[in-house]
Amino acid sequence: QKEVEQNSGPLSVPEGAIASLNCTYSDRGSQSFFWYRQYSGKSPELIMSIYSNGDKEDGRFTAQLNKASQYVSLLIRDSQPSDSATYLCAVMGLTGGGNKLTFGTGTQLKVEL
Amino acid sequence: SQTIHQWPATLVQPVGSPLSLECTVEGTSNPNLYWYRQAAGRGLQLLFYSVGIGQISSEVPQNLSASRPQDRQFILSSKKLLLSDSGFYLCAWSEGNNQPQHFGDGTRLSIL
Repeated sequence: QKEVEQNSGPLSVPEGAIASLNCTYSDRGSQSFFWYRQYSGKSPELIMSIYSNGDKEDGRFTAQLNKASQYVSLLIRDSQPSDSATYLCAVMGLTGGGNKLTFGTGTQLKVEL
Repeated sequence: SQTIHQWPATLVQPVGSPLSLECTVEGTSNPNLYWYRQAAGRGLQLLFYSVGIGQISSEVPQNLSASRPQDRQFILSSKKLLLSDSGFYLCAWSEGNNQPQHFGDGTRLSIL
């Protein structure tokens, strides 16, 4: 079982729709959770951090965390073509003393006109 | 504000040649520093991380090494590159434990 799992996609959504990206993790003691956006050929860019159960909203982005189910998701409202990218879920576990992130392999999102 | 600089942006090297990639961070002190590699179409692989000057943790045994000669400088090296060393190398920093990591622009390394 992979430590952090994401559906590779591509996930295609029409412009203006809600895109829902999901991630599961295996380390039950994980404390910190992050979503990164990576455009093709570019480096990952942090878009959301979440540390406690529930929802966290930032503009069009909402991160959702359920530690009991070991599940974290990212919702993108009013999706735009510029949101087309690969979204990486990253989890900070107990190993490494909270210094090491484990990344999923990413979900490719395509927002279609 | 904090910034991270990584160079060069692209590099083409022959097999067996040495490598030195440099990363520096500005606007913070005693950051955690990281080197990752991303092979084409693959996920991010943590290579090394450092929580302080001279402290290096290696995650994957291979022909690469890392050094942290100054607080905000992180260097990735190799004495002899292999074909399998090709990839996108990313440096990142964080403020400390359980904090998000912020990436540099990366170096795209091609081995011929």
